[in-house]
Order: sequence, then structure tokens, then C-alpha cells
Amino acid sequence: KNEVEQSPQNLTAQEGEFITINCSYSVGISALHWLQQHPGGGIVSLFMLSSGKKKHGRLIATINIQEKHSSLHITASHPRDSAVYICAVTDDFSGGSNYKLTFGKGTLLTVNP
Amino acid sequence: NAGVTQTPKFRVLKTGQSMTLLCAQDMNHEYMYWYRQDPGMGLRLIHYSVGEGTTAKGEVPDGYNVSRLKKQNFLLGLESAAPSQTSVYFCASSYREVWNQPQHFGDGTRLSIL
Repeated sequence: KNEVEQSPQNLTAQEGEFITINCSYSVGISALHWLQQHPGGGIVSLFMLSSGKKKHGRLIATINIQEKHSSLHITASHPRDSAVYICAVTDDFSGGSNYKLTFGKGTLLTVNP
Repeated sequence: NAGVTQTPKFRVLKTGQSMTLLCAQDMNHEYMYWYRQDPGMGLRLIHYSVGEGTTAKGEVPDGYNVSRLKKQNFLLGLESAAPSQTSVYFCASSYREVWNQPQHFGDGTRLSIL
């Protein structure tokens, strides 16, 4: 089973700061997902990637398959970015089930005005 | 489009009571999933379904049953609730296998077992 580790567990930033959240995993994957969960709220998929880099607005996600590592960056952070950010992976499907995600424990981000 | 809708949003049960959580999606997704989220732990898969009439066990299936009689609905049942089942339950759906498509999540059901 894949082990997914996120760092840091908690992150506090000032509005406008550049933020990086890291995710590492132990076994080869077919895809990595970044999700966002606002306090008391539902979960929203931000990115799904299997190589390279993706950008959506102020959010950038990168992945290094060889190093088994992904980062989520937030540029010009804003208080509305305060949420839990969750990394999840799908194991390389050549080995079996494609249906299951293995989740990290999440990173709680607080952006102060 | 409502997306993924979970009912109820909150529920308090006594130990030994039974209940059913309903998940409904209007995106014509084939795959549906039930997860539980506990403090200090990542989301864990309880059961999943790859199509109408199919169900399969996930990582933590004990104490739960599921049914997928209609493509748009995925029901999670607790036959005899236990305090260890106090959690936040999330339903999700996807069009294809997760490696190819993102999962769409509901807003969660907060369940307390006394």
C-alpha cells in the first residue's frame, strides 16, 4: 500500500505570501490529486496530474515522478485560501485496482489578513 | 446541476441503532465511493461501486453495508451503530477510474454515535 506523507501539517501565512505544501509517496503511481477542504465544508478537486506541472489561477501543482514528490504552490495568498489541502494518489494501475485513492492526512493552511 | 448530494447532513444516533446515508449524483457517473474522515487520519475508503448493481469492499468495510440499485444513488447502511463509527462520511463519484478523472465529493454527513 502506498504511504502518502504531507508537510507541513500546519501552515500559517500572511496575506500575499507565497506558499508551498509538499507531498511524498512511497510507491509508483498513475496519478496524483490535490484536493481542498474548507472548514466544515465539502471537498473539491483542485488538480489531477501524472507528470509535469499544472496551473489554475494562483495555484500551481508540480510532480516529480522519479523523486515521488509533488508540491502545491499558492501565489499571492489570500485569507480565502485558508483550508485543508489534501494530497491523494492512485497506485500504478498495472498492479491492480484503479479505483482507489490513498490520501494524505492534509495540511491546514491559515492565511491571516 | 446539484453534483453530489448527501443526506442527512447531521445525525446523532444511540449505540445499536441503524440508519442509512443516501448519496445521489446527477452527473451520470459510473463509479461511486463512500469514505470516512477521522481526526488525524486521511480519508479512508469504506465501500465503492463501479456501476449499477455492483459493490465492493474498501479499506474499512466492517460494520457497514452498501447498495447501488440505481446508477445515481449509493446508499451506506449502519446496521448496529457503534461509537467507533462516529465520523464524517463523504460520498464521491467519478466518470471513470480515478487515474483518469477527478472525483466529485459531496458536502459530508456528520454522524455521532452516543
